[in-house]
Amino acid sequence: EAGVTQFPSHSVIEKGQTVTLRCDPISGHDNLYWYRRVMGKEIKFLLHFVKESKQDESGMPNNRFLAERTGGTYSTLKVQPAELEDSGVYFCASSSSRDRVADTQYFGPGTRLTVL
Amino acid sequence: AQKVTQAQTEISVVEKEDVTLDCVYETRDTTYYLFWYKQPPSGELVFLIRRNSFDEQNEISGRYSWNFQKSTSSFNFTITASQVVDSAVYFCALSHEGYTDKLIFGTGTRLQVFP
Repeated sequence: EAGVTQFPSHSVIEKGQTVTLRCDPISGHDNLYWYRRVMGKEIKFLLHFVKESKQDESGMPNNRFLAERTGGTYSTLKVQPAELEDSGVYFCASSSSRDRVADTQYFGPGTRLTVL
Repeated sequence: AQKVTQAQTEISVVEKEDVTLDCVYETRDTTYYLFWYKQPPSGELVFLIRRNSFDEQNEISGRYSWNFQKSTSSFNFTITASQVVDSAVYFCALSHEGYTDKLIFGTGTRLQVFP
């Protein structure tokens, strides 16, 4: 069974540009999460999809970040326009659907974003 | 407040030594879940263990063992007879049932095992 995949693995862009990160969850997983780790700090939650719906987006830093999950399958996270402080590693995770039970989240390899 | 504290930023040991990584958590909920993840140099987060708040039994998996103590709000992780391949950053995390089960992570402990 394939794990969570993320694309690209690395992205280097200039301030003001747009970047789109993609995440493909484990097949059949209804829950999809985005997290971010800024250099040296803890991994922080960004948002949670259940199928195609946003269940919790309380961690999204500002309106420059837009997440979508088309048809409840893969998800994209767009940063527009990117700022220097957006640099970090963006992780995606998925878990199977269990009603209100915190099931194990399986993580992808992350996308390292560098904004110059 | 919900919080996870990993006070050890970095630990260095020599191969075959035992090492314990500390994790202290804060939560007001009675039902919660604790996790450990490993991040090797390749960067991915690898799931190690999930434990719910009603199960205080210690767990052993090969050279890995976990000690969950609700009385001290701790969920410590011990590696016995460490190996170079254990070198990684280890994260402890907390989540809850309900509306959202987002993970709350500690800042991680970098473990370096030298030959």
